[in-house]
Amino acid sequence: DTAVSQTPKYLVTQMGNDKSIKCEQNLGHDTMYWYKQDSKKFLKIMFSYNNKELIINETVPNRFSPKSPDKAHLNLHINSLELGDSAVYFCASSRGRDLGYEQYFGPGTRLTVT
Amino acid sequence: GESVGLHLPTLSVQEGDNSIINCAYSNSASDYFIWYKQESGKGPQFIIDIRSNMDKRQGQRVTVLLNKTVKHLSLQIAATQPGDSAVYFCAERFGNEKLTFGTGTRLTIIP
Repeated sequence: DTAVSQTPKYLVTQMGNDKSIKCEQNLGHDTMYWYKQDSKKFLKIMFSYNNKELIINETVPNRFSPKSPDKAHLNLHINSLELGDSAVYFCASSRGRDLGYEQYFGPGTRLTVT
Repeated sequence: GESVGLHLPTLSVQEGDNSIINCAYSNSASDYFIWYKQESGKGPQFIIDIRSNMDKRQGQRVTVLLNKTVKHLSLQIAATQPGDSAVYFCAERFGNEKLTFGTGTRLTIIP
């Protein structure tokens, strides 16, 4: 009955590698998000998609590329990984973009770049 | 016990006591505010929200207070329980713009 799921939960990789994190929601929501949480627990939005259309693209290096094959999925691909990319990445979804639509978060993917 | 959120990121409260977590938000035009709870190893979980046309909203054991004059938000948790131990985030939003999260306050309930 997982509402928002992410895979993998842990990802350890070396600098320079390319990796992907997958996200799926079974809530029938139209809007999905990727957030990055650093070691000090600061949570910052990276991207948002509404009905497969990119609507928020924060100042994120273009090594990060989100892809939404359908409304239920929003994957995050990261090229040429750097040490500073180490963080916990959260996927979230909401029914829509309007006020009052609660965001549901996934369990997070802890990325460690060595 | 009370915390100033951004300035005192940790708060310890005796089980059964009430706790108050404070948050100073940045955008005077923000019209929607949310409190999230994040337990260790999990994603943030919605607790309660409030729109800018209200100054108080109550949920089960939680109350959010909004003071727009000083751009201040607080979360009151009544009769705290061990399960309330977590990091609490306030978040603000203007219109359909992105949610902006505060830095979080770690609440520890002492048995």
